Amino acid sequence: GAGVSQSPSNKVTEKGKDVELRCDPISGHTALYWYRQSLGQGLEFLIYFQGNSAPDKSGLPSDRFSAERTGGSVSTLTIQRTQQEDSAVYLCASSVKGGGTEAFFGQGTRLTVV
Amino acid sequence: GQNIDQPTEMTATEGAIVQINCTYQTSGFNGLFWYQQHAGEAPTFLSYNVLDGLEEKGRFSSFLSRSKGYSYLLLKELQMKDSASYLCAVFDSNYQLIWGAGTKLIIKP
Repeated sequence: GAGVSQSPSNKVTEKGKDVELRCDPISGHTALYWYRQSLGQGLEFLIYFQGNSAPDKSGLPSDRFSAERTGGSVSTLTIQRTQQEDSAVYLCASSVKGGGTEAFFGQGTRLTVV
Repeated sequence: GQNIDQPTEMTATEGAIVQINCTYQTSGFNGLFWYQQHAGEAPTFLSYNVLDGLEEKGRFSSFLSRSKGYSYLLLKELQMKDSASYLCAVFDSNYQLIWGAGTKLIIKP
């Protein structure tokens, strides 16, 4: 596609349920980032994939969070046993490694845990 | 650790000029970005600096000093639609993006 695509755009889930968020980056982009943003707050780094290298998972807030990237393209962020504090907008971005080009963001998934 | 600092909030008047500063300490440097984010929307790209100096793009300009770990975004002829958060981000040595918390810019008539 022409841009970064995220699905679903909105997700309401009950506390304790698992959720999967999907990111489809721009074709050919080797770098993929997941961020979380609470209302009025800055971007909170979660995980960074770069090509075939081991992902940087240092931002994942707990072991309930995991992410994978299949075939160097689509990525899935999974949150197990969701808690109310997980409610936020989850943003995905992709870029071409090598600098000089910006990261392009998807429109995000607004997750609400009730 | 890696750190990017920018003011939390700034207020300016429509038609005026405002400068938003950003200082960074990162493991390596491969370029600095400025993004604009309107409430409820994803960030959008504004500018990129990798060499020292000023990059001008219409009403917006961005400056970089690598020796000082410092950048600023200059917005001229402010319009009400410029009310947004402005995010500073740096590519570190691994080309991972390190983000500041953003500066909320409020434009008053």
